[in-house]
Amino acid sequence: NAGVTQTPKFQVLKTGQSMTLQCAQDMNHEYMSWYRQDPGMGLRLIHYSVGAGITDQGEVPNGYNVSRSTTEDFPLRLLSAAPSQTSVYFCASSSWTGQMIGGYTFGSGTRLTVV
Amino acid sequence: KQEVTQIPAALSVPEGENLVLNCSFTDSAIYNLQWFRQDPGKGLTSLLLIQSSQREQTSGRLNASLDKSSGRSTLYIAASQPGDSATYLCATYYMEYGNKLVFGAGTILRVKS
Repeated sequence: NAGVTQTPKFQVLKTGQSMTLQCAQDMNHEYMSWYRQDPGMGLRLIHYSVGAGITDQGEVPNGYNVSRSTTEDFPLRLLSAAPSQTSVYFCASSSWTGQMIGGYTFGSGTRLTVV
Repeated sequence: KQEVTQIPAALSVPEGENLVLNCSFTDSAIYNLQWFRQDPGKGLTSLLLIQSSQREQTSGRLNASLDKSSGRSTLYIAASQPGDSATYLCATYYMEYGNKLVFGAGTILRVKS
């Protein structure tokens, strides 16, 4: 089924460890983004990309890196995990032509706990 | 700065009722508005997308309307079922580089059998 695939679904990290959350989509969407969802804070944009080789920061980028080497993949890297990064992370994609943007498709999420 | 508000915050209804969820936003210069459903511990499932040139969209028992001039959208659910129980989120976004979804806090719906 076409969609956005995120791995892993669950992860526990120790403070200071690094890891990469994977996101892949098979809809040939140009626009990909990462959100985190926290109770009482809603969903907040971390990083986004409008195509291979192009990334930019969202509203809460600190502590995270991204890269976009292919249209399909948009991994999110935690450089040195902190308890404040305990959250549910969602990857989302949409079509983007530079003039029009379509609806968003979300992955099923990665639930991350940092101890 | 766009702010999105959803009313009510929670709703509990008996099975079979027709119901309306409300979403209001402060900046009417949005491009699209999208309704999502989120089940506990799960991801967001897109329900309906209303593009800027449209006033409503329908899918099965769901109908969503958009009035940009008044800054409002409504999601109408006909003949509610226990399987409709979930959190419903509306989100607006602009057509610009770096646009982001601005979400409401959601309406938690419980349909009792």
